[in-house]
Amino acid sequence: AQTVTQSQPEMSVQEAETVTLSCTYDTSESDYYLFWYKQPPSRQMILVIRQEAYKQQNATENRFSVNFQKAAKSFSLKISDSQLGDAAMYFCAYKPGTASKLTFGTGTRLQVTL
Amino acid sequence: ETGVTQSPTHLIKTRGQQVTLRCSSQSGHNTVSWYQQALGQGPQFIFQYYREEENGRGNFPPRFSGLQFPNYSSELNVNALELDDSALYLCASSLRFRRQDKEKLFFGSGTQLSVL
Repeated sequence: AQTVTQSQPEMSVQEAETVTLSCTYDTSESDYYLFWYKQPPSRQMILVIRQEAYKQQNATENRFSVNFQKAAKSFSLKISDSQLGDAAMYFCAYKPGTASKLTFGTGTRLQVTL
Repeated sequence: ETGVTQSPTHLIKTRGQQVTLRCSSQSGHNTVSWYQQALGQGPQFIFQYYREEENGRGNFPPRFSGLQFPNYSSELNVNALELDDSALYLCASSLRFRRQDKEKLFFGSGTQLSVL
């Protein structure tokens, strides 16, 4: 069974600084996708970034980038120039290429301080 | 805003009752998924519907059932409610057309269900 582990229940970063959220996963599949979702107090899950396993290049979306280490089954999220609006729960998620379900980790609560 | 709307936003039921949650997918999306998010946990996959048929199911008992309608709106029905069913229920829609499209899920803001 696929599992997703987020070992940091809470993280804190100062505004304008950089923070890295960790995620590891376990799978025997070769075709899969990895995601980072943000869940603010509004409860809506918002896609932050997506990585396809067959792509070696790390995905980037503006201030958000990932460090995808396929052999180590690690998928960390780096947030640069942190903003107050980045404060939220962040969930790492995994999806096999042919399956319909996302498997989420338990989340990391990110606080952004002045 | 993603265009995925869920109703109601909050609901209180008692143990043993039945509940129906509703989801209106983003325009043009033909696939809908439902997730249960218990307090302090990540969402767990309940099931997915594509073209009005169930297309994958998570580890949930048969008292969790669903429907997808021709206009791609959807319902989640839960019978014989238990205290552990208290959770946030999230609906997500996607377009299952090209490979890259079906990986993009758009979530609603959820229905918070409390079972007393």
